[in-house]
Amino acid sequence: DAGITQSPRHKVTETGTPVTLRCHQTENHRYMYWYRQDPGHGLRLIHYSYGVKDTDKGEVSDGYSVSRSKTEDFLLTLESATSSQTSVYFCAIPFPTSFYANTGELFFGEGSRLTVL
Amino acid sequence: AQKVTQAQTEISVVEKEDVTLDCVYETRDTTYYLFWYKQPPSGELVFLIRRNSFDEQNEISGRYSWNFQKSTSSFNFTITASQVVDSAVYFCALYGGGFKTIFGAGTRLFVKA
Repeated sequence: DAGITQSPRHKVTETGTPVTLRCHQTENHRYMYWYRQDPGHGLRLIHYSYGVKDTDKGEVSDGYSVSRSKTEDFLLTLESATSSQTSVYFCAIPFPTSFYANTGELFFGEGSRLTVL
Repeated sequence: AQKVTQAQTEISVVEKEDVTLDCVYETRDTTYYLFWYKQPPSGELVFLIRRNSFDEQNEISGRYSWNFQKSTSSFNFTITASQVVDSAVYFCALYGGGFKTIFGAGTRLFVKA
């Protein structure tokens, strides 16, 4: 009953390769978010979605794209990974988990640690 | 633009000391929410508290207390009688218009036995 599942949890890749991270929710929520966490920067919003096929950019969207073809899945893609994208990536949905409710309180997945060599 | 500043990068205290984590925010929204999250060494992000912009009452929960002052745009977090289990990174966050929650850089708290 995790609510949010991220995959993969760990990935090591090489510069220039494409990478896709998946976030899957079982709460049927309208909103989904992707953040990255880096030392000294806290959590920074990459992209978010407010419905199927509806997405928008966050603070650090350059080099990332997202897609949401189903309510439950939100994909984050690095078209050509760079070493600066080495980070821990967190997916989140609003809590309490009703379809439209969003007062900013977030429930986070366990994170995906990406290393780009 | 919205911004959250946590000026304290790291704090180190000895067990049983009180410690205050500072948070200063910027927003033009009249309605907004403020949050504190805890990230223990295991890495998960744990929600601690939410406060809306119309409620300036301080809140206490066990050893934790929060002081919200709109006049100084601050939302500070105090841990009384700190314990080793309080060692974590603590994040302050702000949610206003635009459906985005913005986080500060975090304060890493070390509590030594």
